[in-house]
Amino acid sequence: EVQLVESGGGLVKPGGSLRLSCAASGFTFSSYSMNWVRQAPGKGLEWVSSISSSSSYIYYADSVKGRFTISRDNAKNSLYLQMNSLRAEDTAVYYCARVGPALGPWGQGTLVTVSS
Amino acid sequence: QSVLTQPPSVSAAPGQKVTISCSGSSSNIGNNYVSWYQQLPGTAPKLLIYENNKRPSGIPDRFSGSKSGTSATLGITGLQTGDEADYYCGTWDSSLSAEWVFGGGTKLTVL
Repeated sequence: EVQLVESGGGLVKPGGSLRLSCAASGFTFSSYSMNWVRQAPGKGLEWVSSISSSSSYIYYADSVKGRFTISRDNAKNSLYLQMNSLRAEDTAVYYCARVGPALGPWGQGTLVTVSS
Repeated sequence: QSVLTQPPSVSAAPGQKVTISCSGSSSNIGNNYVSWYQQLPGTAPKLLIYENNKRPSGIPDRFSGSKSGTSATLGITGLQTGDEADYYCGTWDSSLSAEWVFGGGTKLTVL
């Protein structure tokens, strides 16, 4: 069974940092591009970042460019999102999602709350 | 303001049919595949339709998708109360700022 499990969320102060992880199982992780997508409380889906299977291609939403870094470790079947200089507007549930040909499956999400 | 435009809400009675529209531009829907996602209350989104009109394994044929030009449509027939959810369209936008884009979401109420 294909499974994605996010972790690393929590409460952080504005300006702080957090590293999210996404553990993948049930498929050949190294063959797929992966995405991070977030959802602020009561709001819609917002794409955050994409990384290709070999990390050759990386894209970011303008809202996080320069502050967030996506990475992956194919040997560990894991996807990461390093989030620095966090702002209140980054408060959201963060989902990882496999790409191919659309976004699916998705993990259960991890909540990041940025508040003083 | 979402790049793709969806109606905020739709409603219909059980057993009826409903359609949800998704409007974009030539840089996104016009030149890329559209996918649809279902988000039941309190859960993660789930892929419902990919490549405009294909259903992943396990998705019933009550759900269908179509695309014409820069717009796409999700259709749901034989509505059930369990279909009450938020529905999102999504696609790749191949403009200068290459990115995945989503619609703002449509809340389906089964009356």
